[in-house]
Parts: sequence; C-alpha cells; structure tokens
Amino acid sequence: AQSVTQLDSQVPVFEEAPVELRCNYSSSVSVYLFWYVQYPNQGLQLLLKYLSGSTLVKGINGFEAEFNKSQTSFHLRKPSVHISDTAEYFCAVSGGTRGATNKLIFGTGTLLAVQP
Amino acid sequence: DAGVIQSPRHEVTEMGQEVTLRCKPISGHNSLFWYRQTMMRGLELLIYFNNNVPIDDSGMPEDRFSAKMPNASFSTLKIQPSEPRDSAVYFCASILTSGGTTQYFGPGTRLTVL
Repeated sequence: AQSVTQLDSQVPVFEEAPVELRCNYSSSVSVYLFWYVQYPNQGLQLLLKYLSGSTLVKGINGFEAEFNKSQTSFHLRKPSVHISDTAEYFCAVSGGTRGATNKLIFGTGTLLAVQP
Repeated sequence: DAGVIQSPRHEVTEMGQEVTLRCKPISGHNSLFWYRQTMMRGLELLIYFNNNVPIDDSGMPEDRFSAKMPNASFSTLKIQPSEPRDSAVYFCASILTSGGTTQYFGPGTRLTVL
C-alpha cells in the first residue's frame, strides 16, 4: 500500500523568504509524485509532477521539487514566496504506471501562510 | 477548454433529505474520480470510474452513498438519507486514462447537512 506523510500542518513564512514544504512517501512499487495547491474555496490545481527522468522538477509559479528515491522524499521549494502563495499544499502519490489505476493518495496538506 | 464542471457549488439541506451532486468531466477524459474533503479526514477517494464502469468503490462510506456514470460526460454522487456528518466538500476529478498521468479537479461542491 502507498502512503504520504506531510509532517508540517502549517508553515508560516515572511514574504520574499525561501520555503520548503516536506513530503515523504511509502510505496513498494515505482510511483508518480504530485504537488497540488488549493487556494481558499477553490479546487485543487496541479503545481508539478514527477514521473521519471530528472529528479528536479519545475512547476508553475516558481515552485520546484526534488525526487529523492533513497530518502523517499519529494520536498517542494520556492526561493522567494509572495503573499499570493498563501494556500494549502497537498503532496500525492499514485502507482507509477499509466493506465486506469491512477488512484491518488494524498497527504494531509500543509498550509503555507505568507506574512508581510 | 472547459475544465471539470460540478454543480451545485453549494448545497444546504436538512438531515434525512436526498442530495445529488453532479459532475461533468473534461471532454475526452475516460476516468472519473469522486473525492471528499473534511478537516478530520483530509482528502479521501470515494469511488472511481473507467469508461463509465465503477472500478473501485471501496472508499464509499456506507450504503447511503451511491454513484453513477450513465455516460462519458456525466456522473452523479447521491446521498440518501443525508446526515450531518456528511457535511464536506466533494470534488470530482477526471483523467485521460490512455497515457494520462494528471487528474484535473473541479471546483467542488460544499455540502452542509443541518
């Protein structure tokens, strides 16, 4: 079975500071990894994903994440955050094959609170 | 292109009433997922369909919940009778199964059962 752990439920940070949101996963098979963002009262929007290849993945809004197989981690980073980045961020994992079994297992989410 | 469409966006009902949530996936997508989001349990997969056929409904909480996908462009999630503990945001997502890796989410339906 697959699982995702987001250790930080909330991360306060000042505007223009760097941030890292942590995500660890557990799986006995190859995986696809995702970060989604949820702005208040909205649905989930894909930030970035790792399927294969380069372990450093770049996404929208200046975010990037690095897949580390040995540490089973997929941490999300941004060098300089803006007030508008305030949102809930979800890490998710699915089986690493394209097809019908694209079930996503989500972490519990991390609230990024950017302060002026 | 239109994204995943859900209706209604907000639903307030009284305990015991029937509730029907609707979803229109992205055109051409052939897998559809229903999720529930609560503070206590986070995001949970309820059920998913592939080519209109339910593949895994192990996340459906109990018999009061049912889901259908009569055609490729429409799905419903029904709760009968509704209970206060069903209050949550319900999301629908779709994906192109053949080669697709990304689920696209709708805006959600916020359900409040009084």
